[in-house]
Amino acid sequence: NAGVTQTPKFRVLKTGQSMTLLCAQDMNHEYMYWYRQDPGMGLRLIHYSVGEGTTAKGEVPDGYNVSRLKKQNFLLGLESAAPSQTSVYFCASSVAGGGTDTQYFGPGTRLTVL
Amino acid sequence: AQKITQTQPGMFVQEKEAVTLDCTYDTSDPSYGLFWYKQPSSGEMIFLIYQGSYDQQNATEGRYSLNFQKARKSANLVISASQLGDSAMYFCAMRERTGGFKTIFGAGTRLFVKA
Repeated sequence: NAGVTQTPKFRVLKTGQSMTLLCAQDMNHEYMYWYRQDPGMGLRLIHYSVGEGTTAKGEVPDGYNVSRLKKQNFLLGLESAAPSQTSVYFCASSVAGGGTDTQYFGPGTRLTVL
Repeated sequence: AQKITQTQPGMFVQEKEAVTLDCTYDTSDPSYGLFWYKQPSSGEMIFLIYQGSYDQQNATEGRYSLNFQKARKSANLVISASQLGDSAMYFCAMRERTGGFKTIFGAGTRLFVKA
């Protein structure tokens, strides 16, 4: 049981390049999330998914797209990377989306955009 | 207005002593959950403890306990018998029933445990 895994762990992009971050969970969770963490700040929600084939915008969705074609995978895409997207990206999953539901996080992806 | 406030950017504690990390929150939703996460220098987010708004008793998980004072809207994390491995960043977070699926995080408190 690996929990939540993220690929890759590190990535450096040039401005304008595109990339996809992969999140996978083996806990059969319905809900999945993408967050970004910037220095001195807590996590901010980018997009989330309440089930296979569904996605929704979070707090800071601009510049990102997501897809959830399979229940266990949640992909985060950057179509044209910008330096402002330099951050650490965390994926999380939870059984359900209620106020009492615990989210479990992946190890993070450190992205640098030059 | 900030929904989660952690007023201590950094804290020091002597090994084997207890330490309290402060967290206050703001919500008008009667149903919400409060969480604490630990982020060591390796970067992963580790779930520590959860408190539901309707829970009558304070949550405890091993050396971690949550001092929940609902009327004061505070959810302080207490770590007993601090260990060197407790040195990390600690985040308080909240999910509201009416907030959809968004978890709101505080800015965090960095804890340093001294030998």
